[in-house]
Amino acid sequence: AQSVTQLGSHVSVSEGALVLLRCNYSSSVPPYLFWYVQYPNQGLQLLLKYTSAATLVKGINGFEAEFKKSETSFHLTKPSAHMRDAAEYFCAVSARWGNEKLTFGTGTRLTIIP
Amino acid sequence: DADVTQTPRNRITKTGKRIMLECSQTKGHDRMYWYRQDPGLGLRLIYYSFDVKDINKGEISDGYSVSRQAQAKFSLSLESAIPNQTALYFCATSGRVGPSTDTQYFGPGTRLTVL
Repeated sequence: AQSVTQLGSHVSVSEGALVLLRCNYSSSVPPYLFWYVQYPNQGLQLLLKYTSAATLVKGINGFEAEFKKSETSFHLTKPSAHMRDAAEYFCAVSARWGNEKLTFGTGTRLTIIP
Repeated sequence: DADVTQTPRNRITKTGKRIMLECSQTKGHDRMYWYRQDPGLGLRLIYYSFDVKDINKGEISDGYSVSRQAQAKFSLSLESAIPNQTALYFCATSGRVGPSTDTQYFGPGTRLTVL
């Protein structure tokens, strides 16, 4: 069984500041890990994914995440926040093989302060 | 044109009514999923289908049923809608072969309100 915990349902950062959204996972088998973004009134869009290649994963819009097995974490970062980054972000986990169902975290709403 | 479409986009209905939400995809994917999104709860899986003859319950299937009419179409039904089924519903698809079998692609969502 897999699960993810997103710490902080709301995060606010100033424009130009570092964005850090936290995700910890639990999985009984090697995981695949994902970050999805949901802009207002839209569906979810894949930001990036970890599928057992490089542990530092780069995604779209300047985001990246690092898989740390020892910490069971997959935190999302961006060096400099932009107003267009305001959205809700979801971390998700699936088993690396066999069962491809995604289990989502409860989401983190990111607000950018001008 | 969008790869994953959902109809209707918005629906208001009354308790006890039967409702069908439809999803179509042009990505050629075998796998399709239905989720509901509630504030503070994230997305929860209702049903999923790995091909036309393979349909499986997710974590919150009670009160819902599905039909996979074709590879490209996957419908979600609420046989007798109740107010706590008010939510945002998403359809998603993923492929069985190729480099992105692990990635799910989402439709724009259907906002359902049950009065």
